[in-house]
Amino acid sequence: DAGVIQSPRHEVTEMGQEVTLRCKPISGHDYLFWYRQTMMRGLELLIYFNNNVPIDDSGMPEDRFSAKMPNASFSTLKIQPSEPRDSAVYFCASSPSRGVAYNEQFFGPGTRLTVL
Amino acid sequence: GENVEQHPSTLSVQEGDSAVIKCTYSDSASNYFPWYKQELGKGPQLIIDIRSNVGEKKDQRIAVTLNKTAKHFSLHITETQPEDSAVYFCAASPNDYKLSFGAGTTVTVRA
Repeated sequence: DAGVIQSPRHEVTEMGQEVTLRCKPISGHDYLFWYRQTMMRGLELLIYFNNNVPIDDSGMPEDRFSAKMPNASFSTLKIQPSEPRDSAVYFCASSPSRGVAYNEQFFGPGTRLTVL
Repeated sequence: GENVEQHPSTLSVQEGDSAVIKCTYSDSASNYFPWYKQELGKGPQLIIDIRSNVGEKKDQRIAVTLNKTAKHFSLHITETQPEDSAVYFCAASPNDYKLSFGAGTTVTVRA
């Protein structure tokens, strides 16, 4: 398996622009997570899904952020409009709810977002 | 919500020595405590985890201990090697999935 796939790996945009981050979880995993990592705030859980349904979005910083999971193999995190303080590395992770790797979260390589 | 504190923030050890990282948590409902290792430019990777019904768990050179009464847990790495150099994160969760992470410990193993 290729692991969790995220795109793009790097994104540079200007303040006010819309940004869409993409994630393909590991096949068979029924949980998907979006995290944000910054030096100031560390690693924060933004939202997570189970079977494509959002379970907890209490970590989403504000209405400018939205996440969707239209099917089991794809999720997006959108920021509209983007602001410089959104600059961070965004990770997607997935996890199975059964089997040997039960509830282990497998992280993708991350998307480094820079908002100018 | 859960608040996880992690110490120290940086740790430098001589190759072959042991490294210990300590974490405390605030939510008594937390029952799952994983440890992640993050190498430069990569996402975190699970190295070991422990649940509240167990006091200690060991996997080769890595061990984790948990004291639920005191709400703290620790990671122990023995016989450290250069490839152990990375950032280590502890986390706590009340439901296996909603993880609250510590701030991280940068471990440097000196050859």
